[in-house]
Amino acid sequence: QKEVEQNSGPLSVPEGAIASLNCTYSDRGSQSFFWYRQYSGKSPELIMSIYSNGDKEDGRFTAQLNKASQYVSLLIRDSQPSDSATYLCALQTLGRLYFGRGTQLTVWP
Amino acid sequence: DAGVIQSPRHEVTEMGQEVTLRCKPISGHDYLFWYRQTMMRGLELLIYFNNNVPIDDSGMPEDRFSAKMPNASFSTLKIQPSEPRDSAVYFCASSLGTSGGLSYNEQFFGPGTRLTVL
Repeated sequence: QKEVEQNSGPLSVPEGAIASLNCTYSDRGSQSFFWYRQYSGKSPELIMSIYSNGDKEDGRFTAQLNKASQYVSLLIRDSQPSDSATYLCALQTLGRLYFGRGTQLTVWP
Repeated sequence: DAGVIQSPRHEVTEMGQEVTLRCKPISGHDYLFWYRQTMMRGLELLIYFNNNVPIDDSGMPEDRFSAKMPNASFSTLKIQPSEPRDSAVYFCASSLGTSGGLSYNEQFFGPGTRLTVL
């Protein structure tokens, strides 16, 4: 069983703040990790992928991976109301993805 | 290039009826995935294909569910007979797989089919 744990939230931050989303996983064999954003009533949208330990930055988003601690996080800098969505963490093992239940983020003006 | 295409976008049917959901993956993608999403269970993988061959169908709930991929550009998920507990959003996703010796595992989702079984 590939467990992917996320705080369900809701996480509420003011506009302009840093939102920090966390994810832990059980399978040490997992090699690829992804963050998806899902707006209400829409499909999941890939926003970040990370494969090696450390940080990966893309615009306002930074993904952090620590395989020893089995921990992956997503930081959103300068949060905007348009970032309000559910964020899904996923890990890939043997060709398939295992998703967490998601963290609901609300950014208030 | 167009993204993953799914049809219909909404389906309302009565218990006992057959339901067929359709998916066209992104051209050139070797992997196709069918997911189901509900509030109770989150996003669940039902089945996935590699080069039109089913690889893992362990997530298919029961024999009422079947999936096919007759060619690289089309897949169906069929529920027969449908039951109210099948009501959910069904997503299809595709990924490139291996290209030029590198693995591209990012999955891209279609808009989903919202199924309601009365």
